[in-house]
Amino acid sequence: DAGVTQSPTHLIKTRGQQVTLRCSPKSGHDTVSWYQQALGQGPQFIFQYYEEEERQRGNFPDRFSGHQFPNYSSELNVNALLLGDSALYLCASSLAGEQETQYFGPGTRLLVL
Amino acid sequence: AQSVTQPDIHITVSEGASLELRCNYSYGATPYLFWYVQSPGQGLQLLLKYFSGDTLVQGIKGFEAEFKRSQSSFNLRKPSVHWSDAAEYFCAVFSTGNQFYFGTGTSLTVIP
Repeated sequence: DAGVTQSPTHLIKTRGQQVTLRCSPKSGHDTVSWYQQALGQGPQFIFQYYEEEERQRGNFPDRFSGHQFPNYSSELNVNALLLGDSALYLCASSLAGEQETQYFGPGTRLLVL
Repeated sequence: AQSVTQPDIHITVSEGASLELRCNYSYGATPYLFWYVQSPGQGLQLLLKYFSGDTLVQGIKGFEAEFKRSQSSFNLRKPSVHWSDAAEYFCAVFSTGNQFYFGTGTSLTVIP
């Protein structure tokens, strides 16, 4: 049983560019949450997707958007990249009725130059 | 507002020594509390969690944590640390808004 997978593992972009990160949830899970972990910090909640809709959102600007597909996989899109967007982006999956039990993927490390 | 404080940014212990990592939280209701571990370049692995009931919870890898409501604390302990325990440890609270709030983490170094 595969756990949560994310792609790519590493990514380098320049300021102003756009990036798309991908996440496949653990088998059987229908809810995907995204987190940003800046260097030396704890993860910060970006948003959560369930039934292909954004259900919850943290304190992040509209440059951060997402999508969930019918197979429950998800994408995180960031537009107009800033240097401060450099971070480890973590995806976590869960069941809709058990959102407190989240399984985390290994993350995508994004570097913005 | 919910928040989690981990007062110790970095801790160094000798292999075989005991360990205690501190965590304080601010939350209006009875919290769901968690400890996660993150090895370099890895995602988060759940060590243990507290929802209700017995205030001393056991986790994986020999870790345990004690919930103390009067002190708003949820400290993580291990009686004998192994070199493989070197990692970053995060305390987190899960809110009724269905969000996790994480502390800033404690980096653990284990010396031979």
